[in-house]
Amino acid sequence: KQEVTQIPAALSVPEGENLVLNCSFTDSAIYNLQWFRQDPGKGLTSLLLIQSSQREQTSGRLNASLDKSSGRSTLYIAASQPGDSATYLCAVNPFEKLVFGKGTKLTVNP
Amino acid sequence: DAGVTQSPTHLIKTRGQQVTLRCSPISGHKSVSWYQQVLGQGPQFIFQYYEKEERGRGNFPDRFSARQFPNYSSELNVNALLLGDSALYLCASSLIKSTGIYEQYFGPGTRLTVT
Repeated sequence: KQEVTQIPAALSVPEGENLVLNCSFTDSAIYNLQWFRQDPGKGLTSLLLIQSSQREQTSGRLNASLDKSSGRSTLYIAASQPGDSATYLCAVNPFEKLVFGKGTKLTVNP
Repeated sequence: DAGVTQSPTHLIKTRGQQVTLRCSPISGHKSVSWYQQVLGQGPQFIFQYYEKEERGRGNFPDRFSARQFPNYSSELNVNALLLGDSALYLCASSLIKSTGIYEQYFGPGTRLTVT
């Protein structure tokens, strides 16, 4: 059974800091991995999708890496801003469905 | 292009009642999935439909059912509501890319409260 773990559960940083969110999964048989952002009470916004054959993806200040063999992914956020405050969810796609972690709640303080 | 839409936004029901949630996928997307997100947890997979056929079902009781219509919109039905069914219900649509990769796009969700 695929399980996804995200560490830390919560993170508070000052504005401008670079930070890393971690995601680990137990079964390396995945098609892809997606990182999402969720604002309180809202739906999910897709940030980055990494195909199983890829090592990383970048979008603006965000960079996500994937090491399928070790079952790990990281989301790197550069020069964090208060607007980045949200919960970040990692999800793996074993086949036609997503298996999510519980998320990391990020607070960026002005 | 419009994103995934869901209705209603919020819903309050009483234990034992039945509820129907609706989802319209992004234009051109033929796959719709439903997820339940309890407060403080990640979303849990309920169903996936593709071309009106059920392609996957998560570990949910038979009180949960769904269907997909010819226009690819979908409904999720929950019967005999329990307090534990209170959650944010998320709908996602996806497009099968040439690589075979599904990228899922989520709607804003329906907040269901069971009292």
